Amino acid sequence: AQSVSQHNHHVILSEAASLELGCNYSYGGTVNLFWYVQYPGQHLQLLLKYFSGDPLVKGIKGFEAEFIKSKFSFNLRKPSVQWSDTAEYFCAVVDYNNNDMRFGAGTRLTVKP
Amino acid sequence: GAGVSQSPRYKVAKRGQDVALRCDPISGHVSLFWYQQALGQGPEFLTYFQNEAQLDKSGLPSDRFFAERPEGSVSTLKIQRTQQEDSAVYLCASSLVGGTASYEQYFGPGTRLTVT
Repeated sequence: AQSVSQHNHHVILSEAASLELGCNYSYGGTVNLFWYVQYPGQHLQLLLKYFSGDPLVKGIKGFEAEFIKSKFSFNLRKPSVQWSDTAEYFCAVVDYNNNDMRFGAGTRLTVKP
Repeated sequence: GAGVSQSPRYKVAKRGQDVALRCDPISGHVSLFWYQQALGQGPEFLTYFQNEAQLDKSGLPSDRFFAERPEGSVSTLKIQRTQQEDSAVYLCASSLVGGTASYEQYFGPGTRLTVT
């Protein structure tokens, strides 16, 4: 079964800094990849997803992620973070043939104003 | 429109008690998922429904956990004889499309279960 690793548990940045959150998965088959975000006091919501095609996907609020198949990675990036980006970010993977979505442990991002 | 709702939002149970957690998915959504999220962890898959059919229950941790969705809309997750290790946030998510977990899942606020 696939697993998902998010190596950064807590990232602290100042506003306008660039962000990159790592996500690696272990599965050799076809997968679909997601980043979900949970703002303080809110539900999990979809930030962006990759199914096929261009490995650089753009999501909401200026976020993007790059799928690198050879590295089994799907890192999340944003060129300039804002205080409102403070949240917990979860990478998730779905085996194309299965119904279960596997999440990483999450990365808590704190952006200092 | 209305999102996914869950009730109760918080539940405290004494060890050994049975609990029932309710999920109201978005109207018309075919797929419904239950997840368990322990403190400091990501959500872990428990079970999946396509309409009223429970197609995957591979994530249920023991036979004390039971889920149903009898009319293909509201779902209930029941935990019998609760144990302290059952303490977690239980998340429900629904999706418009059936047959796969790969379409956008809309999450509810979760039920925080504390077993004392």
